[in-house]
Amino acid sequence: DTQMTQSPSSLSASVGDRVTITCRTSQSISSFLNWYQQKPGKAPKLLIYAASTLHSGVPSRFSGSGSGSDFTLTISSLQPEDFATYYCQQSYSTPYTFGQGTRLDIK
Amino acid sequence: QLQLQESGPGLVKPSETLSLTCTVSGGSISSSDYYWGWIRQSPEKGLEWIGSIYHSGSTYDNPSLKSRVTMSVDTSKNQFSLKMRSVTAADTAVYYCARRSMVGANYFDVFDIWGQGTLVTVSS
Repeated sequence: DTQMTQSPSSLSASVGDRVTITCRTSQSISSFLNWYQQKPGKAPKLLIYAASTLHSGVPSRFSGSGSGSDFTLTISSLQPEDFATYYCQQSYSTPYTFGQGTRLDIK
Repeated sequence: QLQLQESGPGLVKPSETLSLTCTVSGGSISSSDYYWGWIRQSPEKGLEWIGSIYHSGSTYDNPSLKSRVTMSVDTSKNQFSLKMRSVTAADTAVYYCARRSMVGANYFDVFDIWGQGTLVTVSS
């Protein structure tokens, strides 16, 4: 199985800040990397697929980059609704696997 | 718009079988474009993909579940189902059903629509 390691596991930031979350995989997955946002009590929502392509309706302040085994999710200017937990997920091979999550909260 | 809704018992006894159904509304489960999947989430294991099924009944699942899983589809009811045998406390989790789409030029797999999730507790 492909292991997914996110860092940091938690992050405190303020509205307007730029934040970056990292996801590292145990083997190369090309660009088969997705990012999801989850708010408490809700299901995850797809933000980015193919490492850098924004899903429909996702604000442009979100961006993704990377290939191989190192990936990043960047939020350019945090908005109040962005405080949530973020997960990476690889779709290169089954079993699909997820990172452990990065909790982003208000400083 | 497409919606998914999980249903099933919220409490299952150890060693028994967990059974969940996902009802798809606002679209057809028989679309050739999609697979349908199950994902669970617990504090201990995080998000864990359980398996996916096509409308034809073709399935693939997570080997870590040691073949305890059976998935099925009922196209007449626009539903798909999950059965997990011999459950233990470690199977306590929120269970989500989700649509798996293939997007982009290289057919990247994504879970783009999710149900709200249902908590299943394994306890005597």
